[in-house]
Amino acid sequence: NAGVMQNPRHLVRRRGQEARLRCSPMKGHSHVYWYRQLPEEGLKFMVYLQKENIIDESGMPKERFSAEFPKEGPSILRIQQVVRGDSAAYFCASSPSYYVESLRDTQYFGPGTRLTVL
Amino acid sequence: SQQGEEDPQALSIQEGENATMNCSYKTSINNLQWYRQNSGRGLVHLILIRSNEREKHSGRLRVTLDTSKKSSSLLITASRAADTASYFCATDERVGGTSYGKLTFGQGTILTVHP
Repeated sequence: NAGVMQNPRHLVRRRGQEARLRCSPMKGHSHVYWYRQLPEEGLKFMVYLQKENIIDESGMPKERFSAEFPKEGPSILRIQQVVRGDSAAYFCASSPSYYVESLRDTQYFGPGTRLTVL
Repeated sequence: SQQGEEDPQALSIQEGENATMNCSYKTSINNLQWYRQNSGRGLVHLILIRSNEREKHSGRLRVTLDTSKKSSSLLITASRAADTASYFCATDERVGGTSYGKLTFGQGTILTVHP
């Protein structure tokens, strides 16, 4: 029973480059959440996606950040033209179903991708 | 204060002692969850308590929820050195009778258990 998979685990980018973070939810889970954790802080919600739909992106910066969860394949968090302030740990979580609350219970977190911008 | 704010910020105890961490929040919630994070690692789900529950147990963990005070506590009994980690509470906010599953995390409590 594989958990939530994220890759890469560590990513180093120079300022101005693009960062692509991947998240494969647990089998049977159709809801994906992305969170960002800055050093010494708690996690901050970024975006909530279902297959092919962005449900809530209220926590995502308006510029340079985008997310997708295609019909096939992992969810992708994309950061264009990275800056030093983007250095953080990015966590993905998945859950089985939103509309049926008895099923949508715990969010299962992946190990995170640690992005370092030089 | 922020939604899901823990206190104390740091707690240092000896092995065998109990550790109590508190969390306060501001809005109506669907549930409140506690997570553990070891340094530089991912989050491990510990326990979830729903808004209509007052207390829940899981092994050495005991969680209480007081919705009238908008607060929760996590008690770890008979602590071990392996319990050393950061502990976060996270609230699943209910907006207009609907829960979106978007978790709001506090800043965390850093627990150090000395052998």
